[in-house]
Amino acid sequence: GAGVSQSPRYKVAKRGQDVALRCDPISGHVSLFWYQQALGQGPEFLTYFQNEAQLDKSGLPSDRFFAERPEGSVSTLKIQRTQQEDSAVYLCASSLGGQGNTIYFGEGSWLTVV
Amino acid sequence: KQEVTQIPAALSVPEGENLVLNCSFTDSAIYNLQWFRQDPGKGLTSLLLIQSSQREQTSGRLNASLDKSSGRSTLYIAASQPGDSATYLCAALSHNTDKLIFGTGTRLQVFP
Repeated sequence: GAGVSQSPRYKVAKRGQDVALRCDPISGHVSLFWYQQALGQGPEFLTYFQNEAQLDKSGLPSDRFFAERPEGSVSTLKIQRTQQEDSAVYLCASSLGGQGNTIYFGEGSWLTVV
Repeated sequence: KQEVTQIPAALSVPEGENLVLNCSFTDSAIYNLQWFRQDPGKGLTSLLLIQSSQREQTSGRLNASLDKSSGRSTLYIAASQPGDSATYLCAALSHNTDKLIFGTGTRLQVFP
């Protein structure tokens, strides 16, 4: 595809359910990022991959959050035992890699926990 | 720890006005600073990227400036149009890191 693709676009989960959010980066992009954006706020960094290696996961809010990118392309962000405070937009972004390269964002996965 | 602040939080102007959005950051050791646009329900679109060695970047009616010493960047929008209505976010990339630190955004409405 031409851009970063995320699915599902919208997800309603009952509290305590597990959810999985998928990101298809732009083909050939080495770097992949996950951000969390609460309503009315700017995106907050969650985690970063370079190819299949997760180089930084300092932004993951708790051990209920887990991300993987096993083959260095598609990435999945998994949230276990969802809580209401997990309700947010989860944005995926990719770039060619290296500092200073343009970063391209997907349209996000909107998660609502009820 | 880098912190990014944007003012105003919201702005409503009539069509045709020139306007300035402000962004400040606490750690001047940045690699670059970027401005993004976000439409409701959409992801972020990169507008301008200013490297730390640059003072400004221009794209069409948009001009972004960077003053590292004072920790400030401004986004200037000339002759605003209703289609410019969106949230504008600035983000700083520090040296030795790959994560962007975002401000909370300025929500702009341009009315006809």
